[in-house]
Amino acid sequence: DTEVTQTPKHLVMGMTNKKSLKCEQHMGHRAMYWYKQKAKKPPELMFVYSYEKLSINESVPSRFSPECPNSSLLNLHLHALQPEDSALYLCASSQVYTNTDTQYFGPGTRLTVL
Amino acid sequence: AQSVTQLGSHVSVSEGALVLLRCNYSSSVPPYLFWYVQYPNQGLQLLLKYTTGATLVKGINGFEAEFKKSETSFHLTKPSAHMSDAAEYFCAVSSKTSYDKVIFGPGTSLSVIP
Repeated sequence: DTEVTQTPKHLVMGMTNKKSLKCEQHMGHRAMYWYKQKAKKPPELMFVYSYEKLSINESVPSRFSPECPNSSLLNLHLHALQPEDSALYLCASSQVYTNTDTQYFGPGTRLTVL
Repeated sequence: AQSVTQLGSHVSVSEGALVLLRCNYSSSVPPYLFWYVQYPNQGLQLLLKYTTGATLVKGINGFEAEFKKSETSFHLTKPSAHMSDAAEYFCAVSSKTSYDKVIFGPGTSLSVIP
């Protein structure tokens, strides 16, 4: 099973809402990632968790709050977002966090902030 | 600092024709090299990667790429395009000398004309 699942598929939220994105993998991977992708652009790394510890935060605004409750789950908590945060949010995982490990991507959550 | 460029933001080929997508990198030390594909409304999927060894790398779906150090290139080819190859293709690099994130190129959108 090489699948990374993400829920929900689509999310529309107002600027005052609080919502969460969920990502799950059952491949035994110990590295998990959040990316943000705007239309017609490459993915931009937001966060990396390695062995359930936050390893990289790419200077992401505090209105995005990641959480890794266990080795299979990754959440992204959203609060007080701006319209410019509308994008496709991709989760990925790899066996471990190295420069050569293949990353497996989920289908993404398409977020619209009104 | 590393960077990656992809010549041609959009490429059109006829069904059955050769597919050639260009990727050049800039790095003081040749990096690890990847090609990812993103089909509409999906996440990214690894096509192939070069880490060490043979410079001609074969990937999934009939794609291959050749690492040419002298040209700082890692172009992606497929002998005969299928309609199902229409997608966005991202070349990516990661460092051999430091523990760092994968850097994605801007992407090339491939259209296949029947």
